[in-house]
Amino acid sequence: DAGVIQSPRHEVTEMGQEVTLRCKPISGHDYLFWYRQTMMRGLELLIYFNNNVPIDDSGMPEDRFSAKMPNASFSTLKIQPSEPRDSAVYFCASSLATGPPAFFGQGTRLTVV
Amino acid sequence: AQKVTQAQTEISVVEKEDVTLDCVYETRDTTYYLFWYKQPPSGELVFLIRRNSFDEQNEISGRYSWNFQKSTSSFNFTITASQVVDSAVYFCALQMDSSYKLIFGSGTRLLVRP
Repeated sequence: DAGVIQSPRHEVTEMGQEVTLRCKPISGHDYLFWYRQTMMRGLELLIYFNNNVPIDDSGMPEDRFSAKMPNASFSTLKIQPSEPRDSAVYFCASSLATGPPAFFGQGTRLTVV
Repeated sequence: AQKVTQAQTEISVVEKEDVTLDCVYETRDTTYYLFWYKQPPSGELVFLIRRNSFDEQNEISGRYSWNFQKSTSSFNFTITASQVVDSAVYFCALQMDSSYKLIFGSGTRLLVRP
């Protein structure tokens, strides 16, 4: 299997612009997660889906962030408008319904200038 | 509340030394999972091991071994005969059976010098 695939790997954008991060989970996995990694806060869960339905979005920082999973093989995390404090590495991960572990993608390094 | 503590921020060893990375967790749940992930300089997060709360048996995989002790709420990771390729940040994580959320420690940066 190709593993979890994220795109782009790097994104540099100007403050105020819309940013869309993409993720393709491992085929057959029922759960999809979005994590954010920063120096200040470490790795934290933003949101996760089960069978394309959002289950827990309590980690989404504010209304500027939104995530969707239109089908079992694709998810997006959107930030609109972006701010410099959104600069971080965003990871997507997926796992089976039978239990952990979660397997992570390579991450998207976002820089907002 | 659930929490994972990795008190060692950075460890530096010379190649072939053994090194132990500490992990202490807090939870009131009786059913939970513990994990170790490796983040090499390239940035991805690589799954290493999963342990559930009912299985305190230690595990060895090549040069890696893990010691799970519920009595001290610890899940320590030992690398035997370390190699330069082991240089990475290592994260310990906790997941409750009631949730799919991973709670990560702050990570330990391991530098193995030739």
